[in-house]
Amino acid sequence: DSGVTQTPKHLITATGQRVTLRCSPRSGDLSVYWYQQSLDQGLQFLIQYYNGEERAKGNILERFSAQQFPDLHSELNLSSLELGDSALYFCASSLGGAANYGYTFGSGTRLTVV
Amino acid sequence: AQTVTQSQPEMSVQEAETVTLSCTYDTSESDYYLFWYKQPPSRQMILVIRQEAYKQQNATENRFSVNFQKAAKSFSLKISDSQLGDAAMYFCAYRSTPWGGGADGLTFGKGTHLIIQP
Repeated sequence: DSGVTQTPKHLITATGQRVTLRCSPRSGDLSVYWYQQSLDQGLQFLIQYYNGEERAKGNILERFSAQQFPDLHSELNLSSLELGDSALYFCASSLGGAANYGYTFGSGTRLTVV
Repeated sequence: AQTVTQSQPEMSVQEAETVTLSCTYDTSESDYYLFWYKQPPSRQMILVIRQEAYKQQNATENRFSVNFQKAAKSFSLKISDSQLGDAAMYFCAYRSTPWGGGADGLTFGKGTHLIIQP
């Protein structure tokens, strides 16, 4: 157990739908990062939150959004889902916004869009 | 933008032998961090080793060591005494330092699938 908790582990939904993925960071970590892992795009950084505020954006689609709550858990919202959004979505956390160390990853949420 | 290239989609090694996984990267920054992550079939991303660009000494973690060549922008991973449990996808990753002005997330290579032959 890495200390980063992601729920649900698996999610199957239809095209056009909206889903929410949840992440609880490791105790004491203030930063949360979201990554997408797909067969064609590989591992891509989506977005980072630090202590409740958006810190950095990567290759996140406009249909996707995220937020970090006062208790530091984060949610990634994916809307108007397309088949190509099927992927493994990872959450990672680190102590600070300027992480000098490798991040701690959760076990991921496997999203299947049918 | 930074890019990370892993030119070996798949590597195979006999158990107890040594294997080296290649990684090159492209950046205009002078200070940054480099990582190797392991992803076994469980899909969990596990940090293997980390290197700060300003440190000339190559990082070592038990059987894992790196060969960091900053001028050549090369960051290879050497696994000694390979074990069956080392079988996994290995990803090389790059991260800017906060004062480098780059994105705060990790940039990953496409990965190398490492097979351990018993």
